[in-house]
Amino acid sequence: SQQGEEDPQALSIQEGENATMNCSYKTSINNLQWYRQNSGRGLVHLILIRSNEREKHSGRLRVTLDTSKKSSSLLITASRAADTASYFCATDLRTGTASKLTFGTGTRLQVTL
Amino acid sequence: NAGVMQNPRHLVRRRGQEARLRCSPMKGHSHVYWYRQLPEEGLKFMVYLQKENIIDESGMPKERFSAEFPKEGPSILRIQQVVRGDSAAYFCASSPQQGSGNTIYFGEGSWLTVV
Repeated sequence: SQQGEEDPQALSIQEGENATMNCSYKTSINNLQWYRQNSGRGLVHLILIRSNEREKHSGRLRVTLDTSKKSSSLLITASRAADTASYFCATDLRTGTASKLTFGTGTRLQVTL
Repeated sequence: NAGVMQNPRHLVRRRGQEARLRCSPMKGHSHVYWYRQLPEEGLKFMVYLQKENIIDESGMPKERFSAEFPKEGPSILRIQQVVRGDSAAYFCASSPQQGSGNTIYFGEGSWLTVV
């Protein structure tokens, strides 16, 4: 498996429900980032969590990081149809140099009315 | 403050032709990255450049692909003699400074289709 694998590959929920996506990685990281990508569009940065942080919040988003298990989760609470997109985790392995991100294959989230 | 600008957004090339993709980083950003996204996959790092320098090209295919970021003007990703397997979305990103942990900002991508 590659660095940064998301689970599940696809998720379908109803509006108002919570969506949880998981990401596992293999090597030590400096930080981990989550991005959203709408179909045919670029990536939108959601949250960056550093290796010495365990949890971060941003609006309806909550990200956790467990470096002992080499895993992270992204929780979207009270989902909306507009949250329909692919979500990618990206790990940053470098320290002291510019970011070189390694992306997973993404979780495709479908939020239905 | 305009974001990362990429053009063209969509490009169709016949096998054997050349493709040139351009990227203007965000204002004040001197670090540019190119990533490639194949259908149904995540992004794969290709190259990292600063003005007039290629810093890391470990993700670039050995042949036909080249990148530059001149002192003036946009960064260019050039693919010579394109093949069907080059069909992908090519994303450029920029950041303001060196240093791991800085957020990098992505453009909307250039979708290359090779027919």
